[in-house]
Amino acid sequence: DVKVTQSSRYLVKRTGEKVFLECVQDMDHENMFWYRQDPGLGLRLIYFSYDVKMKEKGDIPEGYSVSREKKERFSLILESASTNQTSMYLCASSFGGSSYEQYFGPGTRLTVT
Amino acid sequence: GQNIDQPTEMTATEGAIVQINCTYQTSGFNGLFWYQQHAGEAPTFLSYNVLDGLEEKGRFSSFLSRSKGYSYLLLKELQMKDSASYLCAVRGSGNTPLVFGKGTRLSVIA
Repeated sequence: DVKVTQSSRYLVKRTGEKVFLECVQDMDHENMFWYRQDPGLGLRLIYFSYDVKMKEKGDIPEGYSVSREKKERFSLILESASTNQTSMYLCASSFGGSSYEQYFGPGTRLTVT
Repeated sequence: GQNIDQPTEMTATEGAIVQINCTYQTSGFNGLFWYQQHAGEAPTFLSYNVLDGLEEKGRFSSFLSRSKGYSYLLLKELQMKDSASYLCAVRGSGNTPLVFGKGTRLSVIA
């Protein structure tokens, strides 16, 4: 079974704090993704990575950065958290190639107060 | 640009059949995916279509027409546990990330 794990299910941070969200996958997937999910807006892509040390901006990268130092781990960083970053954050991974589905982690519900 | 449309909400009766539609406009096309997402949980993969036609998987089937930019997910013999959001997602060119529609929240009632 493919497993994608995220470091926390729930997180509460204060405005201005630096926040790290960690994602680990155990299936040797090349591709990893970070999405946020908000009511009425659906899943929106923040950043993705096709390989170690590679990163690409998604549709809404502002206010976020990422790190991929190892193939199995993809971190999302909020440099200075703001209240509009309160959201559900979902990590996903997949093999390379167009026919492969993305597997999702359980999500981290982040609240910024 | 990419645009994916699906109805926001649907309600259906236990034991019935429901069809959830998805239309898309994308630059390039390399497959359409359907995911199921129960409240508070992660999306899970249901089906993949890349050629025109119907793919059947038990109670769930998915149809694709590339010329019309149209897909549907068909759920038969509905059960209460099918109450969930159903997400349509398209892969544009190559190995690009999936682009998701906003999802259709399905409520199955007795």
